[in-house]
Amino acid sequence: GQSLEQPSEVTAVEGAIVQINCTYQTSGFYGLSWYQQHDGGAPTFLSYNALDGLEETGRFSSFLSRSDSYGYLLLQELQMKDSASYFCAVRDSGAGSYQLTFGKGTKLSVIP
Amino acid sequence: SQTIHQWPATLVQPVGSPLSLECTVEGTSNPNLYWYRQAAGRGLQLLFYSVGIGQISSEVPQNLSASRPQDRQFILSSKKLLLSDSGFYLCAWSVRDYEQFFGPGTRLTVL
Repeated sequence: GQSLEQPSEVTAVEGAIVQINCTYQTSGFYGLSWYQQHDGGAPTFLSYNALDGLEETGRFSSFLSRSDSYGYLLLQELQMKDSASYFCAVRDSGAGSYQLTFGKGTKLSVIP
Repeated sequence: SQTIHQWPATLVQPVGSPLSLECTVEGTSNPNLYWYRQAAGRGLQLLFYSVGIGQISSEVPQNLSASRPQDRQFILSSKKLLLSDSGFYLCAWSVRDYEQFFGPGTRLTVL
């Protein structure tokens, strides 16, 4: 089966940088996705890494190391609106190529 | 542009009653469709996914079922709800399976 580990909660100051880590165990790994979910809302897609390295999209960046089964989401110039839960998700061929397995999420609190 | 609709937004049902949640997608053809459940403060648990009309795969044994009667319609059902069925139910669609687009969700409370 698949398993993902990410911290349950992180607190950071407005304007700062925060890194949310994700480690995974899976077979037939295809890639790692990140989603953001505000309280009471639906998850929204942030990024996807299939290859090692850093992908940058505005203030958000995502990194993957396939050899370490590890990735992270980096949020820069934090804003209050970034307070949300962030989920990593693995795309796993062992479970069928049409599925994602989600981590339990990291609740990010941005404080003034 | 593509949109996804789910209804109802909230639902309170007694134990043992039936359930029908509907999800429709607009602006895309032959999407992959998914039903997830999210318990309070938890991650997303995949319940069902579908790659085409009438094709349903179940991930978790439970008293729920799903159907896809049309290309862009996905229905989640139960004949008799349990207390443990309470949660936030999310429908999603994708063309590239790593990028899924979620509907607004249905918050179900079983009493």
